[in-house]
Amino acid sequence: QVQLQQSGPGLVKPWQTLSLTCAISGDSVSSDSATWNWIRQSPSRGLEWLGRTYYRSKWYNDYTTSVKSRITITPDTSKNQFSLQLNSVTPEDTAIYYCARRGATGPLDYWGQGALVTVSS
Amino acid sequence: EIVLTQSPGTLSLSPGERATLSCRASQSVNGNYLAWYQQKPGQAPRLLMYGASSRATGIPDRFSGSGSGTDFTLTISRLEPEDFAVYYCQQYGSTPRTFGQGTKVEIK
Repeated sequence: QVQLQQSGPGLVKPWQTLSLTCAISGDSVSSDSATWNWIRQSPSRGLEWLGRTYYRSKWYNDYTTSVKSRITITPDTSKNQFSLQLNSVTPEDTAIYYCARRGATGPLDYWGQGALVTVSS
Repeated sequence: EIVLTQSPGTLSLSPGERATLSCRASQSVNGNYLAWYQQKPGQAPRLLMYGASSRATGIPDRFSGSGSGTDFTLTISRLEPEDFAVYYCQQYGSTPRTFGQGTKVEIK
């Protein structure tokens, strides 16, 4: 059974960097059939896919356009986890952030528990 | 980017009734790679359907999905008390992945 456990601070100051980690059990971040995703949810934006990292002989990343200049998703094979960094945050980045796996069938089949991140001074 | 529009915004029904939820895409969804998720308060979304019409593991057969191209439907044949929740569609045929804004199924 795949489990994703999120961790990271719940409060970030404006213009600082939001950092979250998603620890994987029951699968590998280096899997050649899965991708590892970050999604956020807010009342104003609804569910928004932010990006993904995945391994297919080498590492790849994809990011959504709205945050492409500010986001980095990084795998950590030694700890079997992946991380989200979002730079220069504003109150508009306040949301519940989820990590999720895209499995072999294609959709997001396993999700982390979610983490509310508030951007405020 | 593919925009997904769900309707109605809210569906007020009684237990035992049939629920029909719609998801319309701004352009054709590649491979009919369309998923449905259920979300309850304080929980992460839960995968219900994928490939427009395939049920995810453990999902009861009162849930069914249909459609292709730009028009997709999630049907709950007879609502159980635990089915009252918010439902989202998502396309995973092209990047960026996108979600609909959700349909809330509430108790009438």
